[in-house]
Amino acid sequence: DVKVTQSSRYLVKRTGEKVFLECVQDMDHENMFWYRQDPGLGLRLIYFSYDVKMKEKGDIPEGYSVSREKKERFSLILESASTNQTSMYLCASSLSSPDRVGGYTFGSGTRLTVV
Amino acid sequence: QKEVEQNSGPLSVPEGAIASLNCTYSDRGSQSFFWYRQYSGKSPELIMSIYSNGDKEDGRFTAQLNKASQYVSLLIRDSQPSDSATYLCAVKRGGSYIPTFGRGTSLIVHP
Repeated sequence: DVKVTQSSRYLVKRTGEKVFLECVQDMDHENMFWYRQDPGLGLRLIYFSYDVKMKEKGDIPEGYSVSREKKERFSLILESASTNQTSMYLCASSLSSPDRVGGYTFGSGTRLTVV
Repeated sequence: QKEVEQNSGPLSVPEGAIASLNCTYSDRGSQSFFWYRQYSGKSPELIMSIYSNGDKEDGRFTAQLNKASQYVSLLIRDSQPSDSATYLCAVKRGGSYIPTFGRGTSLIVHP
């Protein structure tokens, strides 16, 4: 089975800290994604990457950056954490491309609290 | 704006009944359709994908797609309390990397 591993299940950080969320997948998927999920707002795409060193902004990239130096690893960076970034963060990977079909495999999620 | 609409629920069904979850979408260019199950506090898990009009069955789950009417549904037969979760519908346009997710329908199966 494809496995997507997020390094932390729960994190508590202080306002202004730089926060790193790590995600690793073990099935050679080209595409990786970062979402946040908030009650009543559903899943919102922050960034995605369809290849090593490639990144594309999603719907809500402000306040975030990403890094994909290796195919299996996709990191989300909160440059200066703020309380409105308190959320559940979900990493996902997929084989799908514009011409190929396939669903997401999600990691277990990181619940981040910024105080 | 691409939209995927789901009734937020909760949809409450008795154990053993058929649960019917519906999803409508606005983008006629959509080609791939997915259902995810999300237990409270957990991440979504892909349970069904469908790409052609008609029905696709997998165990107790059946996905139904009608592109002309722009809806996709998920039927759960012999519902169990363990099926209680939020079900997310996702729709992907041909030529896109990114699906559009609905906000999910909460299903409660009571004994």
